[in-house]
Amino acid sequence: GAGVSQSPSNKVTEKGKDVELRCDPISGHTALYWYRQSLGQGLEFLIYFQGNSAPDKSGLPSDRFSAERTGGSVSTLTIQRTQQEDSAVYLCASRPQVGVAYEQYFGPGTRLTVT
Amino acid sequence: AQSVTQLDSHVSVSEGTPVLLRCNYSSSYSPSLFWYVQHPNKGLQLLLKYTSAATLVKGINGFEAEFKKSETSFHLTKPSAHMSDAAEYFCVVSDLYNNNDMRFGAGTRLTVKP
Repeated sequence: GAGVSQSPSNKVTEKGKDVELRCDPISGHTALYWYRQSLGQGLEFLIYFQGNSAPDKSGLPSDRFSAERTGGSVSTLTIQRTQQEDSAVYLCASRPQVGVAYEQYFGPGTRLTVT
Repeated sequence: AQSVTQLDSHVSVSEGTPVLLRCNYSSSYSPSLFWYVQHPNKGLQLLLKYTSAATLVKGINGFEAEFKKSETSFHLTKPSAHMSDAAEYFCVVSDLYNNNDMRFGAGTRLTVKP
């Protein structure tokens, strides 16, 4: 079946502009995660959605970052007033449900470059 | 809270020699553990997972890992490295009692020399 998809695959934007990154999880997956991966670095957790529960926003680096998940499916990560340090690959992952036996399924990522 | 430590940021091996990527975890409860691989400019792919069944877990591409509770370790091994194994490897721990329950290690970059 279809995996996790993300769009756009690449985004170049000017400093100060807003950007929206989209994630389409695997159908039926209740949990959705956003991560950021800077060049040569590990994964930095940003935000986590589980069903209808309030999202865990503890990883968002500043109030310029926000995310929503509509209808328990598609998610959009918004970065306002982008800065050069926001340049990174943004990864989305979904999971069938929360529970220790379930792995995450990752999308290919969106490479964001802020000039 | 659970956490993961990958003991080596970079491992270099010669093609045909064994691979050992080390991972230690801490968890208050019985965890599940995962290894993911990320090839250059690619997404993350699950290699294998431990979920409280057999402690020796076999994954894709000839990799395996052994869960050792007494040592709180989940090291990844492969008997013979292939050039295509060159990638970044992430160890992940999950336990039941945290809302966001996936914790990633910092990653180990594997280089395979011809």
